[in-house]
Amino acid sequence: DAGVTQSPTHLIKTRGQQVTLRCSPKSGHDTVSWYQQALGQGPQFIFQYYEEEERQRGNFPDRFSGHQFPNYSSELNVNALLLGDSALYLCASSFQTGISGYTFGSGTRLTVV
Amino acid sequence: SQQGEEDPQALSIQEGENATMNCSYKTSINNLQWYRQNSGRGLVHLILIRSNEREKHSGRLRVTLDTSKKSSSLLITASRAADTASYFCASDMVDYKLSFGAGTTVTVRA
Repeated sequence: DAGVTQSPTHLIKTRGQQVTLRCSPKSGHDTVSWYQQALGQGPQFIFQYYEEEERQRGNFPDRFSGHQFPNYSSELNVNALLLGDSALYLCASSFQTGISGYTFGSGTRLTVV
Repeated sequence: SQQGEEDPQALSIQEGENATMNCSYKTSINNLQWYRQNSGRGLVHLILIRSNEREKHSGRLRVTLDTSKKSSSLLITASRAADTASYFCASDMVDYKLSFGAGTTVTVRA
């Protein structure tokens, strides 16, 4: 049973560039959430997608955008990268409201130089 | 901003001992979840306790929830080297997002 799959695993980008991270949810899940985890901190909620729309958004600037496809997979896009965007980006999938819990992927480690 | 805080920040115990960590949160919740993270990789869901539950067990894990104090605790009994990890509590509020604390780093010594 495939869990949540994220790609790529690691990524190095230059300040000012744009990046796209990808996530395939666990089979049976229809909702995808994205989290940013800086070193030594807990994950911070970026946004959640359900039925191909952004349902909820955390306190992140508009440089962070996303998309959900009809097959429930999702992308996270970050424009005009800053050094402070260096972090582990985690994707979590759930069924609808997530009342039964979330399944997280292994994350994408983004380094901005 | 983070909804919750874990205490202690770090914990070092001998194999076979019990490990207890606490979590406090700020607002009303639907449920509270505990996750484990090894070496900065993905989060593994350990246990979910709903707001109307007071205690829950799963294998060597025991979680309690006190909604009047807005706090929860995670007990790992008979710890093993493989339990070495960071543990996070996450409060699930009504707005479709999890709010995490900064985590407790647990080291189990052989």
